[in-house]
Amino acid sequence: LAKTTQPISMDSYEGQEVNITCSHNNIATNDYITWYQQFPSQGPRFIIQGYKTKVTNEVASLFIPADRKSSTLSLPRVSLSDTAVYYCLVVSDNQGGKLIFGQGTELSVKP
Amino acid sequence: EAQVTQNPRYLITVTGKKLTVTCSQNMNHEYMSWYRQDPGLGLRQIYYSMNVEVTDKGDVPEGYKVSRKEKRNFPLILESPSPNQTSLYFCASSSTPGQEYEQYFGPGTRLTVT
Repeated sequence: LAKTTQPISMDSYEGQEVNITCSHNNIATNDYITWYQQFPSQGPRFIIQGYKTKVTNEVASLFIPADRKSSTLSLPRVSLSDTAVYYCLVVSDNQGGKLIFGQGTELSVKP
Repeated sequence: EAQVTQNPRYLITVTGKKLTVTCSQNMNHEYMSWYRQDPGLGLRQIYYSMNVEVTDKGDVPEGYKVSRKEKRNFPLILESPSPNQTSLYFCASSSTPGQEYEQYFGPGTRLTVT
């Protein structure tokens, strides 16, 4: 299972775009990159998943370069309610559904 | 509304007193799992179930039991709780694990064992 590395914390202001980069040097061919969001005392919530290039949904965009050794979660125009911990995970279809959560990135959005 | 529910949400108990935390999902998911979350250690998987009557150990199964008699329910059992099982517990479910799937997490159960 590929290990992920991401910044422990980030600060931003309302209305700014936030980019959180995750490193996963040992990603395997069949692995997908997935991001979850967790608010204090709540369960993690799936945000976005991708394999390569760019994926966009109503919440975020995910950029994955050709070598797939890193990925960047982009949150457009953040608000105070985006203050949360963001986890980058590498998911494989042969790991029995296990999600390996690292320490995540604690994003603090200020007024 | 598609959801995973857990009960109780908060529980304070004493060492050795057996307890069960229930988990139920209404999405007809085959896969269910239990995690515990501790400060500095992140979320760690306790047990998971690929389908009814099929369960397997995760990373930290010691002191826990599970059962999967019905597709929608996946209770977590602590036969003899100890203080080191004080934690925040999450149940999760998803469709058959594979590529491009997401797991749905319950609201959590905060357990304190004194």
